[in-house]
Amino acid sequence: AQRVTQPEKLLSVFKGAPVELKCNYSYSGSPELFWYVQYSRQRLQLLLRHISRESIKGFTADLNKGETSFHLKKPFAQEEDSAMYYCALSAQYGNKLVFGAGTILRVKS
Amino acid sequence: DAGVTQSPTHLIKTRGQQVTLRCSPISGHKSVSWYQQVLGQGPQFIFQYYEKEERGRGNFPDRFSARQFPNYSSELNVNALLLGDSALYLCASSLVPGQMEGYTFGSGTRLTVV
Repeated sequence: AQRVTQPEKLLSVFKGAPVELKCNYSYSGSPELFWYVQYSRQRLQLLLRHISRESIKGFTADLNKGETSFHLKKPFAQEEDSAMYYCALSAQYGNKLVFGAGTILRVKS
Repeated sequence: DAGVTQSPTHLIKTRGQQVTLRCSPISGHKSVSWYQQVLGQGPQFIFQYYEKEERGRGNFPDRFSARQFPNYSSELNVNALLLGDSALYLCASSLVPGQMEGYTFGSGTRLTVV
């Protein structure tokens, strides 16, 4: 079965502090992993995907197959990063996304 | 490009009623997927349609059905509504199934069942 776990419902950090949003997954094959973000009153949008290995808005995420993790990191949090973050996986050549429950990131000034 | 558009944005229904939600994909996208997002949870996959055929179905009862039209727009129907069907219903479109590049979500329809 495909499952995504985000252990933290809420992560609160100060501006300029490092951020790590945790994501663990279970899937027997080779999944594609994503981070989606939802800012207040906006639609769900893709932040990054492990295949592209990009850094978007200063965020990075590395797929660790041994630990089945895909944690989202940013060295210095900014207030505009405050949002709901969802980790998701898609089975190889799959046709659906499996989402975690999400983590609210609050960046305090 | 208008992006993925969903209608209506909000609606309120009574238990036992039926509801139809609509989705128009991004121009050129031929695949549409539906998700249910209950408050406090991540989106959960309901259906995927491509070329008017069902390509995938999540773990939802038969009260949930969908269809896709020749112009690639889609409708999600829910019969015999239950209080637990209250949720944000999201539509996502992509060029073809399995291609996550360009996979785009709409703003959703907020359904409240009373």
